[in-house]
Amino acid sequence: EAQVTQNPRYLITVTGKKLTVTCSQNMNHEYMSWYRQDPGLGLRQIYYSMNVEVTDKGDVPEGYKVSRKEKRNFPLILESPSPNQTSLYFCASSPSSGRNEQFFGPGTRLTVL
Amino acid sequence: AQKVTQAQTEISVVEKEDVTLDCVYETRDTTYYLFWYKQPPSGELVFLIRRNSFDEQNEISGRYSWNFQKSTSSFNFTITASQVVDSAVYFCALSSYSGGGADGLTFGKGTHLIIQP
Repeated sequence: EAQVTQNPRYLITVTGKKLTVTCSQNMNHEYMSWYRQDPGLGLRQIYYSMNVEVTDKGDVPEGYKVSRKEKRNFPLILESPSPNQTSLYFCASSPSSGRNEQFFGPGTRLTVL
Repeated sequence: AQKVTQAQTEISVVEKEDVTLDCVYETRDTTYYLFWYKQPPSGELVFLIRRNSFDEQNEISGRYSWNFQKSTSSFNFTITASQVVDSAVYFCALSSYSGGGADGLTFGKGTHLIIQP
């Protein structure tokens, strides 16, 4: 089944404790992206990647890191999480770019205490 | 920079009424792509439609229709004879291509549509 998976789905952590949210897609898509969703703010793009080793900042990249060492994986790294990063995070992929329909993962709800 | 405005934060209608969700966008590019996504209460994001800037034809899919007007930079979404299952948050989004690479995707803040039985 074609899908985007994210792990973990739920995470409660404390300020400053490094964490990684994994994202994997099995559709051989070139483009992958991370978004955060907050009430009243909609979805905002954090980072995106056009291909392996190619990443670019979205609208709200501060406090996040990403890497794209393999085509299928695009982990989101919070080196020192803070409470303002409490949010619902979505990973997405598309065949070539943001111009195509994006396939979204199920979301990861992160709480930083 | 690109921007998407969904001025309607929440709309509530009674089942079987028609409802239109507004989307106004801003971009300096002549080539761009517009999308609508649906987020039902279960939380997943579901793709509904994609439209490129060179195709101003309106589209109808069952009870859903989309009206794209470049002159007013709008891409509105109408649900005819609404049903309770249409209750969801609907997002309009914009992606523009600036030659040197594809820009990211910018979403509006969403419209929460409530269909009352």
